[in-house]
Amino acid sequence: SQTIHQWPATLVQPVGSPLSLECTVEGTSNPNLYWYRQAAGRGLQLLFYSVGIGQISSEVPQNLSASRPQDRQFILSSKKLLLSDSGFYLCACKTGPGNTIYFGEGSWLTVV
Amino acid sequence: AQSVTQLGSHVSVSEGALVLLRCNYSSSVPPYLFWYVQYPNQGLQLLLKYTTGATLVKGINGFEAEFKKSETSFHLTKPSAHMSDAAEYFCAVSESGGSYIPTFGRGTSLIVHP
Repeated sequence: SQTIHQWPATLVQPVGSPLSLECTVEGTSNPNLYWYRQAAGRGLQLLFYSVGIGQISSEVPQNLSASRPQDRQFILSSKKLLLSDSGFYLCACKTGPGNTIYFGEGSWLTVV
Repeated sequence: AQSVTQLGSHVSVSEGALVLLRCNYSSSVPPYLFWYVQYPNQGLQLLLKYTTGATLVKGINGFEAEFKKSETSFHLTKPSAHMSDAAEYFCAVSESGGSYIPTFGRGTSLIVHP
């Protein structure tokens, strides 16, 4: 079965600084990959998804971007962080038949 | 278009009592339905899922859910709550075919009292 690794697990960044969150998937190939954000006390917000290398779909316009340089690597980036970017970021993947999405352990981002 | 409504942002039960978390969905095609559990500061873990076949689905940790098409519901139940069940629970729906992007409910926080 697939394993999803996210890092860093926790990050504190000043406003205006860049961001890079990385997600890698093991145990599968050609997965669909997703980035979600979960603000405190709120549900899940889909930010980006990717069905293949270099293919990124954005669900919410914002100052974040995503890239998929390799089949099992998904990166969330920002050039200049805002306070509102704080939250819990979750990487997820879908692989194989069926529509089940599996999640990584998440990355806590605090923008100060 | 698909949507999910979880009734009650917080549900409080006593240890040993029945757990019932409500989820209603809308979908223009036959849905796939999921329940996830999230413990503090962790990712989401799949509890159970319905795709096709038997409408009563059993999952991990003694949870089960029943797909009721006529009621467009997929409520999560557990006969006897444990303290360790305290967590956030998310219902999700995705449509068979398509881009496989599930829609999540806003979550229900389960509080278990001793």
